[in-house]
Amino acid sequence: NAGVTQTPKFRVLKTGQSMTLLCAQDMNHEYMYWYRQDPGMGLRLIHYSVGEGTTAKGEVPDGYNVSRLKKQNFLLGLESAAPSQTSVYFCASSYSRPSNEQFFGPGTRLTVL
Amino acid sequence: EDQVTQSPEALRLQEGESSSLNCSYTVSGLRGLFWYRQDPGKGPEFLFTLYSAGEEKEKERLKATLTKKESFLHITAPKPEDSATYLCAVRLRNNNDMRFGAGTRLTVKP
Repeated sequence: NAGVTQTPKFRVLKTGQSMTLLCAQDMNHEYMYWYRQDPGMGLRLIHYSVGEGTTAKGEVPDGYNVSRLKKQNFLLGLESAAPSQTSVYFCASSYSRPSNEQFFGPGTRLTVL
Repeated sequence: EDQVTQSPEALRLQEGESSSLNCSYTVSGLRGLFWYRQDPGKGPEFLFTLYSAGEEKEKERLKATLTKKESFLHITAPKPEDSATYLCAVRLRNNNDMRFGAGTRLTVKP
């Protein structure tokens, strides 16, 4: 089992460029999440999904879009990157019970110049 | 506003010196409180889930407790390998939203 994997591990963008971050899980989890982590601010939830074809906004959704076309994949898109989106992005997944633990990926370090 | 506050921001201990980390929360409805450990350059790793006041859970040198307003992570006789950032999170009752604290960076010196 690979668990939760994220692609790419590092990326540098220029302001205004777009990109997609890919998250994949092989644990047959229903729920998937995208977070960003900034120094001194902890993890903040961007978007999440409770099943294939569904998405919902988290605490900081502006500037991001997501899609969950397949149960095992959760994509995070930046349509027009801004320097404020420089961060480390983590994907996580969990079973459908909301009380269950989340399994996190290794993170993607994104720098927007 | 839903908030999770962890203290202290950083804690330095000698090996064997027991201490506690605090997580206080003000949320509209609690559906679970989680503790995670995060090593540098890695994703968080699950430690505990607590659901109701008075609940306690243990794992090796760690013990988590929960009251109506806060949770404590007690570390007994820590070792250098316990050095990490410890994150607290709450799941809100109204939806599946999660709120994380900023974390406590623990350093255990041999």
